[in-house]
Amino acid sequence: AQKITQTQPGMFVQEKEAVTLDCTYDTSDQSYGLFWYKQPSSGEMIFLIYQGSYDEQNATEGRYSLNFQKARKSANLVISASQLGDSAMYFCAMASNAGGTSYGKLTFGQGTILTVHP
Amino acid sequence: DSGVTQTPKHLITATGQRVTLRCSPRSGDLSVYWYQQSLDQGLQFLIQYYNGEERAKGNILERFSAQQFPDLHSELNLSSLELGDSALYFCASSVEIVGELFFGEGSRLTVL
Repeated sequence: AQKITQTQPGMFVQEKEAVTLDCTYDTSDQSYGLFWYKQPSSGEMIFLIYQGSYDEQNATEGRYSLNFQKARKSANLVISASQLGDSAMYFCAMASNAGGTSYGKLTFGQGTILTVHP
Repeated sequence: DSGVTQTPKHLITATGQRVTLRCSPRSGDLSVYWYQQSLDQGLQFLIQYYNGEERAKGNILERFSAQQFPDLHSELNLSSLELGDSALYFCASSVEIVGELFFGEGSRLTVL
Protein backbone atom coordinates (compact mmCIF):
# COMPACT_ATOMS: atom_id res chain seq x y z
CA ALA A 1 0.00 0.00 0.00
CA GLN A 2 1.11 3.53 -0.65
CA LYS A 3 1.09 6.32 1.87
CA ILE A 4 1.79 10.02 1.70
CA THR A 5 2.54 12.03 4.83
CA GLN A 6 2.44 15.79 5.03
CA THR A 7 3.38 16.75 8.55
CA GLN A 8 2.76 20.49 8.29
CA PRO A 9 -0.94 21.29 8.66
CA GLY A 10 -0.18 24.96 8.10
CA MET A 11 2.74 27.10 7.01
CA PHE A 12 3.28 30.84 6.94
CA VAL A 13 5.70 32.71 4.72
CA GLN A 14 6.48 36.32 3.98
CA GLU A 15 5.88 37.54 0.47
CA LYS A 16 8.96 37.19 -1.77
CA GLU A 17 10.56 34.60 0.50
CA ALA A 18 11.03 30.91 -0.27
CA VAL A 19 9.12 28.18 1.51
CA THR A 20 9.47 24.40 1.66
CA LEU A 21 6.47 22.13 2.08
CA ASP A 22 7.35 18.68 3.35
CA CYS A 23 6.21 15.39 1.92
CA THR A 24 7.32 11.88 2.72
CA TYR A 25 6.03 8.77 1.03
CA ASP A 26 6.00 5.07 1.50
CA THR A 27 5.78 2.48 -1.24
CA SER A 28 7.23 -0.87 -2.12
CA ASP A 29 7.02 -0.16 -5.85
CA GLN A 30 10.16 0.62 -7.81
CA SER A 31 8.50 2.74 -10.43
CA TYR A 32 6.27 5.57 -9.26
CA GLY A 33 5.48 9.19 -9.72
CA LEU A 34 5.23 12.04 -7.26
CA PHE A 35 3.00 15.04 -7.78
CA TRP A 36 2.15 18.32 -6.15
CA TYR A 37 -1.21 19.99 -6.56
CA LYS A 38 -2.48 23.37 -5.40
CA GLN A 39 -6.05 23.87 -4.24
CA PRO A 40 -7.07 27.53 -3.82
CA SER A 41 -10.09 28.48 -1.77
CA SER A 42 -12.19 28.26 -4.93
CA GLY A 43 -11.72 24.50 -4.81
CA GLU A 44 -10.15 23.51 -8.11
CA MET A 45 -7.08 21.26 -8.17
CA ILE A 46 -4.15 22.73 -10.07
CA PHE A 47 -1.21 20.58 -11.11
CA LEU A 48 2.14 22.08 -10.16
CA ILE A 49 4.97 19.63 -10.68
CA TYR A 50 5.82 15.99 -11.29
CA GLN A 51 8.82 13.81 -10.44
CA GLY A 52 9.36 10.29 -11.69
CA SER A 53 11.09 7.82 -9.45
CA TYR A 54 13.82 7.23 -12.03
CA ASP A 55 14.40 10.89 -12.79
CA GLU A 56 17.92 11.77 -11.73
CA GLN A 57 17.40 15.48 -11.63
CA ASN A 58 14.96 17.35 -9.44
CA ALA A 59 11.94 18.64 -11.30
CA THR A 60 11.46 22.36 -11.72
CA GLU A 61 8.52 24.36 -13.08
CA GLY A 62 8.97 28.08 -12.86
CA ARG A 63 8.99 29.07 -9.19
CA TYR A 64 8.28 25.49 -8.13
CA SER A 65 10.94 22.87 -7.60
CA LEU A 66 10.73 19.43 -6.13
CA ASN A 67 13.49 18.37 -3.76
CA PHE A 68 13.50 14.62 -4.39
CA GLN A 69 15.50 12.48 -1.98
CA LYS A 70 14.79 8.91 -2.94
CA ALA A 71 16.73 7.24 -0.11
CA ARG A 72 14.80 9.29 2.42
CA LYS A 73 11.56 8.86 0.52
CA SER A 74 10.89 12.55 0.56
CA ALA A 75 9.57 14.86 -2.12
CA ASN A 76 9.46 18.34 -0.70
CA LEU A 77 8.02 21.23 -2.70
CA VAL A 78 10.02 24.44 -2.74
CA ILE A 79 8.26 27.64 -3.76
CA SER A 80 10.62 30.49 -4.44
CA ALA A 81 9.71 34.18 -4.27
CA SER A 82 6.29 33.56 -2.69
CA GLN A 83 3.37 35.60 -3.92
CA LEU A 84 0.08 36.42 -2.23
CA GLY A 85 -1.65 34.27 -4.81
CA ASP A 86 0.29 31.25 -3.57
CA SER A 87 -1.93 31.14 -0.48
CA ALA A 88 -3.76 27.83 -0.84
CA MET A 89 -3.85 24.20 0.23
CA TYR A 90 -1.04 22.12 -1.23
CA PHE A 91 -1.29 18.38 -1.72
CA CYS A 92 1.47 15.89 -2.30
CA ALA A 93 0.41 12.76 -4.15
CA MET A 94 1.90 9.63 -5.60
CA ALA A 95 0.98 6.88 -7.98
CA SER A 96 2.55 3.61 -8.89
CA ASN A 97 3.51 2.69 -12.40
CA ALA A 98 3.17 -0.99 -11.65
CA GLY A 99 2.24 -2.85 -14.79
CA GLY A 100 3.01 0.14 -16.94
CA THR A 101 -0.41 1.66 -16.55
CA SER A 102 -1.12 5.33 -16.19
CA TYR A 103 -0.56 7.36 -13.08
CA GLY A 104 -4.22 8.10 -12.62
CA LYS A 105 -4.78 6.37 -9.30
CA LEU A 106 -3.27 8.93 -7.00
CA THR A 107 -2.80 8.62 -3.27
CA PHE A 108 -2.95 12.05 -1.63
CA GLY A 109 -1.55 13.41 1.59
CA GLN A 110 -3.68 15.41 3.99
CA GLY A 111 -2.42 18.69 2.63
CA THR A 112 -0.65 21.78 3.95
CA ILE A 113 -2.34 25.17 4.11
CA LEU A 114 0.10 27.85 3.01
CA THR A 115 -0.52 31.46 3.95
CA VAL A 116 1.58 34.16 2.34
CA HIS A 117 1.79 37.40 4.32
CA PRO A 118 2.42 40.75 2.61
CA ASP B 1 -9.15 26.31 -17.18
CA SER B 2 -8.14 22.63 -17.20
CA GLY B 3 -10.50 21.70 -20.01
CA VAL B 4 -12.37 19.22 -17.80
CA THR B 5 -16.00 20.17 -17.28
CA GLN B 6 -18.09 19.02 -14.37
CA THR B 7 -21.78 19.59 -13.76
CA PRO B 8 -23.48 20.52 -11.57
CA LYS B 9 -21.11 22.69 -9.55
CA HIS B 10 -23.33 22.57 -6.49
CA LEU B 11 -26.02 20.14 -5.49
CA ILE B 12 -28.15 19.97 -2.36
CA THR B 13 -30.31 16.95 -1.75
CA ALA B 14 -31.83 14.86 1.02
CA THR B 15 -30.83 11.57 2.55
CA GLY B 16 -32.02 8.56 0.63
CA GLN B 17 -32.02 10.37 -2.69
CA ARG B 18 -30.05 9.63 -5.85
CA VAL B 19 -27.92 12.05 -7.84
CA THR B 20 -25.84 11.94 -11.00
CA LEU B 21 -22.66 13.90 -11.50
CA ARG B 22 -21.40 14.48 -14.99
CA CYS B 23 -17.92 14.95 -16.37
CA SER B 24 -16.59 15.84 -19.80
CA PRO B 25 -12.87 15.14 -20.12
CA ARG B 26 -10.36 17.22 -22.02
CA SER B 27 -10.52 16.77 -25.74
CA GLY B 28 -8.54 13.69 -26.68
CA ASP B 29 -8.21 12.29 -23.17
CA LEU B 30 -9.39 8.70 -22.96
CA SER B 31 -9.09 8.21 -19.22
CA VAL B 32 -11.50 9.60 -16.66
CA TYR B 33 -11.03 9.40 -12.92
CA TRP B 34 -13.35 10.19 -10.04
CA TYR B 35 -12.15 11.41 -6.67
CA GLN B 36 -13.97 12.31 -3.48
CA GLN B 37 -12.74 15.02 -1.13
CA SER B 38 -14.26 15.13 2.34
CA LEU B 39 -13.12 16.68 5.59
CA ASP B 40 -12.64 13.39 7.39
CA GLN B 41 -11.31 11.20 4.56
CA GLY B 42 -9.36 13.75 2.57
CA LEU B 43 -8.92 13.14 -1.16
CA GLN B 44 -9.68 9.59 -2.18
CA PHE B 45 -9.61 7.84 -5.52
CA LEU B 46 -12.92 6.26 -6.41
CA ILE B 47 -12.73 4.79 -9.90
CA GLN B 48 -11.05 5.08 -13.30
CA TYR B 49 -12.39 4.46 -16.79
CA TYR B 50 -10.38 4.17 -19.95
CA ASN B 51 -12.11 4.39 -23.30
CA GLY B 52 -15.36 3.14 -21.87
CA GLU B 53 -14.03 0.35 -19.70
CA GLU B 54 -13.44 0.27 -15.99
CA ARG B 55 -9.70 0.32 -15.38
CA ALA B 56 -9.15 0.67 -11.66
CA LYS B 57 -11.28 0.81 -8.57
CA GLY B 58 -10.57 2.50 -5.28
CA ASN B 59 -12.65 3.12 -2.19
CA ILE B 60 -15.95 3.35 -4.00
CA LEU B 61 -19.05 2.37 -2.09
CA GLU B 62 -21.48 -0.15 -3.53
CA ARG B 63 -24.14 2.58 -3.50
CA PHE B 64 -21.99 4.46 -6.02
CA SER B 65 -21.53 3.53 -9.64
CA ALA B 66 -19.96 5.14 -12.67
CA GLN B 67 -19.73 4.70 -16.38
CA GLN B 68 -18.00 6.21 -19.37
CA PHE B 69 -19.96 6.66 -22.54
CA PRO B 70 -18.83 6.29 -26.18
CA ASP B 71 -18.32 10.05 -26.43
CA LEU B 72 -15.97 9.66 -23.42
CA HIS B 73 -18.01 11.70 -20.98
CA SER B 74 -18.55 10.02 -17.64
CA GLU B 75 -21.23 9.95 -15.00
CA LEU B 76 -20.97 9.13 -11.32
CA ASN B 77 -24.21 7.92 -9.80
CA LEU B 78 -24.67 8.18 -6.05
CA SER B 79 -27.71 6.47 -4.55
CA SER B 80 -29.30 6.03 -1.12
CA LEU B 81 -27.42 9.12 -0.08
CA GLU B 82 -26.27 9.53 3.50
CA LEU B 83 -25.08 12.60 5.37
CA GLY B 84 -21.52 11.32 5.15
CA ASP B 85 -21.64 11.45 1.35
CA SER B 86 -21.47 15.21 1.50
CA ALA B 87 -18.22 16.04 -0.22
CA LEU B 88 -16.53 17.62 -3.20
CA TYR B 89 -16.43 15.18 -6.09
CA PHE B 90 -13.71 15.69 -8.64
CA CYS B 91 -13.40 14.33 -12.11
CA ALA B 92 -9.99 14.26 -13.76
CA SER B 93 -8.74 13.17 -17.14
CA SER B 94 -5.48 12.27 -18.76
CA VAL B 95 -3.96 10.58 -21.75
CA GLU B 96 -2.43 7.19 -21.05
CA ILE B 97 1.08 8.43 -20.44
CA VAL B 98 3.10 9.45 -17.42
CA GLY B 99 2.20 12.91 -16.36
CA GLU B 100 -0.33 15.04 -14.66
CA LEU B 101 -4.03 14.61 -14.21
CA PHE B 102 -6.21 17.53 -15.21
CA PHE B 103 -8.93 18.09 -12.68
CA GLY B 104 -12.31 19.65 -13.15
CA GLU B 105 -13.59 22.27 -10.72
CA GLY B 106 -15.55 19.70 -8.77
CA SER B 107 -19.17 19.11 -7.88
CA ARG B 108 -20.00 20.00 -4.30
CA LEU B 109 -22.66 17.68 -2.93
CA THR B 110 -24.50 18.52 0.26
CA VAL B 111 -26.79 15.89 1.73
CA LEU B 112 -29.24 17.21 4.31
